[in-house]
Amino acid sequence: DTGVSQDPRHKITKRGQNVTFRCDPISEHNRLYWYRQTLGQGPEFLTYFQNEAQLEKSRLLSDRFSAERPKGSFSTLEIQRTEQGDSAMYLCASSLLSGSPNYGYTFGSGTRLTVV
Amino acid sequence: AQSVTQPDIHITVSEGASLELRCNYSYGATPYLFWYVQSPGQGLQLLLKYFSGDTLVQGIKGFEAEFKRSQSSFNLRKPSVHWSDAAEYFCAVGGMEYGNKLVFGAGTILRVKS
Repeated sequence: DTGVSQDPRHKITKRGQNVTFRCDPISEHNRLYWYRQTLGQGPEFLTYFQNEAQLEKSRLLSDRFSAERPKGSFSTLEIQRTEQGDSAMYLCASSLLSGSPNYGYTFGSGTRLTVV
Repeated sequence: AQSVTQPDIHITVSEGASLELRCNYSYGATPYLFWYVQSPGQGLQLLLKYFSGDTLVQGIKGFEAEFKRSQSSFNLRKPSVHWSDAAEYFCAVGGMEYGNKLVFGAGTILRVKS
């Protein structure tokens, strides 16, 4: 297992276009999280899945954002009608359920989105 | 709601000197505490974590952190800094009561001078 994979690493898009990012978690991890990180800030929680169920969404996740995790494996994050304020690093992480001795987040390398 | 404060935006230390990065948290229950490191343009790498038990935890790359409940702190330390430690460091808090999502501090950028 090579850890959490995110694709693409970088995406430049024009304002108003739709973009989709993919995250492949560590295979045995039940939980998958999406975070957004803007310059000079720590990551901010967007949403998380336990298996295929989306259990929580942040208020940061506007109606233009949608995330899926079909079959509880990989996940996609789609942003519709992108705006310049969406420019950020989008980080995916996965974890086992809490209570496991090996509980802890493993982050991917992120997708850097630039909206021009 | 939980929150994390990292009071130092930038810290510069000389190579070989000791390091302490500060982290204070606000959390209503027993926290899970983490330190992550991030190199430019990269994701976050876990340095160490605290769930319970011994309040002094050892991590990778020679880092350690001490949980002090009375001070709501979880400071990161390293006895001798190497130039390769230059990066941004994030403290994070989480717990079962909040669905295990993490709340991060704003980060501390570490510069190492030779």
